[in-house]
Amino acid sequence: NAGVTQTPKFQVLKTGQSMTLQCAQDMNHEYMSWYRQDPGMGLRLIHYSVGAGITDQGEVPNGYNVSRSTTEDFPLRLLSAAPSQTSVYFCASKPVAFRSNQPQHFGDGTRLSIL
Amino acid sequence: SQQGEEDPQALSIQEGENATMNCSYKTSINNLQWYRQNSGRGLVHLILIRSNEREKHSGRLRVTLDTSKKSSSLLITASRAADTASYFCATDERSGGSNYKLTFGKGTLLTVNP
Repeated sequence: NAGVTQTPKFQVLKTGQSMTLQCAQDMNHEYMSWYRQDPGMGLRLIHYSVGAGITDQGEVPNGYNVSRSTTEDFPLRLLSAAPSQTSVYFCASKPVAFRSNQPQHFGDGTRLSIL
Repeated sequence: SQQGEEDPQALSIQEGENATMNCSYKTSINNLQWYRQNSGRGLVHLILIRSNEREKHSGRLRVTLDTSKKSSSLLITASRAADTASYFCATDERSGGSNYKLTFGKGTLLTVNP
């Protein structure tokens, strides 16, 4: 199993451009989520999904869209990139959505710079 | 908003010494988890302690949880250079209906010198 795979690993965008960060997991996990990691801020939840067709907002959702058409994929879209979205983005998953006591599995991240 | 707050922010020790990191949180939790992040990589789950547990061991790791003080500690014994990483605590709490939310602290950067 590959686990959680994120692409691309690095990306540089200009302000106003759009792009999609890809996330795929091959563990048949119900729950998937996106975090951003900024220096001194820890990880903050952007959006999450408890199953195919169901998404919801996290702590910092503005400027980002998500969709979950399949169990495996959970792409994150930046519609109009802003310098404040320069960050490292992590995708994570866990087996069952509405259950506690489960660790999350993380991808290796996408390092995004907005000029 | 941050739920878990790690202390210290940075810790530098010699190989073979023990490393202790602390985490404080604010609200009731279902469990508390510790993760490690090597430079340039994603987070890796280390250990999970449930709210009704007080201590848990995994290899060289020992985690304690004091729900009355809303605090946890992670002890790494006989540290190695390979333990150099950032360590995060994360609290798992009920969030709206039957969903659970994992909230991360800002992390402790551990440097183990050979």
